[in-house]
Amino acid sequence: QKEVEQNSGPLSVPEGAIASLNCTYSDRVSQSFFWYRQYSGKSPELIMSIYSNGDKEDGRFTAQLNKASQYVSLLIRDSQPSDSATYLCAVEGIESGGSYIPTFGRGTSLIVHP
Amino acid sequence: GAVVSQHPSRVICKSGTSVKIECRSLDFQATTMFWYRQFPKQSLMLMATSNEGSKATYEQGVEKDKFLINHASLTLSTLTVTSAHPEDSSFYICSARNSGGSYEQYFGPGTRLTVT
Repeated sequence: QKEVEQNSGPLSVPEGAIASLNCTYSDRVSQSFFWYRQYSGKSPELIMSIYSNGDKEDGRFTAQLNKASQYVSLLIRDSQPSDSATYLCAVEGIESGGSYIPTFGRGTSLIVHP
Repeated sequence: GAVVSQHPSRVICKSGTSVKIECRSLDFQATTMFWYRQFPKQSLMLMATSNEGSKATYEQGVEKDKFLINHASLTLSTLTVTSAHPEDSSFYICSARNSGGSYEQYFGPGTRLTVT
């Protein structure tokens, strides 16, 4: 059973601070890693994808991947109250039959307070 | 780009009836679409993987005769909840993967089903 673990939170940070969200996964051969943001009552929205070790930056967001440690993180710089949401980590690897099936973590609730 | 629509956004039906939910990729072709269910304050649960032109692959514990999935074209997948019961009330969300692109999947806005 593949597992993706996230601290459920809530993680509370002040406006303007850096929010750090973490995710660990069990399947060592996982190849694709994603972060989604989900506002309450809404569907998930893709923020970042990362496929190789290291950092990937997009605006205020930085995804970090360490396959040796089976760890992926998301940093949000200059956090804004509008960033308050649940952040979902998703991991994919090739399944038998050649398909790629995502496994989602339970999500981390982020609260950015003014 | 990468827009996925779902219809209806909200539906209320009586116990024992069937409900069809449509998922469309509007600006890309999707060989693969996924169907999820999410109960309040709980995580996404993958129900099935829908591949264009072939039978859907259901996750363990999901009744394929109750949740009928059809993926007849590269832009449309449907989920039919047959003989719905109150315990089927949930938020159903589809996602689509761009056939010609990366492994990223894009989510539809979801359908909130209430069975009375």
